[in-house]
Amino acid sequence: DAGVIQSPRHEVTEMGQEVTLRCKPISGHNSLFWYRQTMMRGLELLIYFNNNVPIDDSGMPEDRFSAKMPNASFSTLKIQPSEPRDSAVYFCASSPILSTRLNQPQHFGDGTRLSIL
Amino acid sequence: AQTVTQSQPEMSVQEAETVTLSCTYDTSESNYYLFWYKQPPSRQMILVIRQEAYKQQNATENRFSVNFQKAAKSFSLKISDSQLGDTAMYFCAFMKTLAGGGAGSYQLTFGKGTKLSVIP
Repeated sequence: DAGVIQSPRHEVTEMGQEVTLRCKPISGHNSLFWYRQTMMRGLELLIYFNNNVPIDDSGMPEDRFSAKMPNASFSTLKIQPSEPRDSAVYFCASSPILSTRLNQPQHFGDGTRLSIL
Repeated sequence: AQTVTQSQPEMSVQEAETVTLSCTYDTSESNYYLFWYKQPPSRQMILVIRQEAYKQQNATENRFSVNFQKAAKSFSLKISDSQLGDTAMYFCAFMKTLAGGGAGSYQLTFGKGTKLSVIP
């Protein structure tokens, strides 16, 4: 089975440049999540979607960050302009839409390691 | 807001021994779920075990088990017969629904992780 697919695996760019991270969730999964992992702050939920609709974006650090999910099989996380403090590993995860029993695990992609110089 | 605390940034254990990773959380909710995720050096996040708060019985998955103390808001992970492949970061996570959000609306909070090294 194909898991969650993220691209690129590594991204190195200069500050001020636009960065776009991509994610393809597992087919049939209705919920998609973007996370950022740093040594200082651990794993943080940035935003998540249900049925392509953003539900909670309170974790998005600032206006430079934006996320879209134009269809059920694709999502992007964009940073414009990028700054050195954005350097982190960004994970995408998907899960079947939650029932009230809250027992659906999330399946994570391999992550994108982003370095802003 | 919910908080999840993993008080052990790093731990080590001898191969074949048992190790326990601690996790405490703070919430006023009565219905929620708790998870342990493993992140090996490859960075892939792997679900290790999950626990429903309404269940008193501790969850078990092969060599992994939890000690869930609801009153104390504690959710520790025990790894028995540690193997070299268990070397990884381990994240504790708390999940609850968002009121009025409908199906699929929930909040997920992670701890900062514990780096576990299994020594040959």
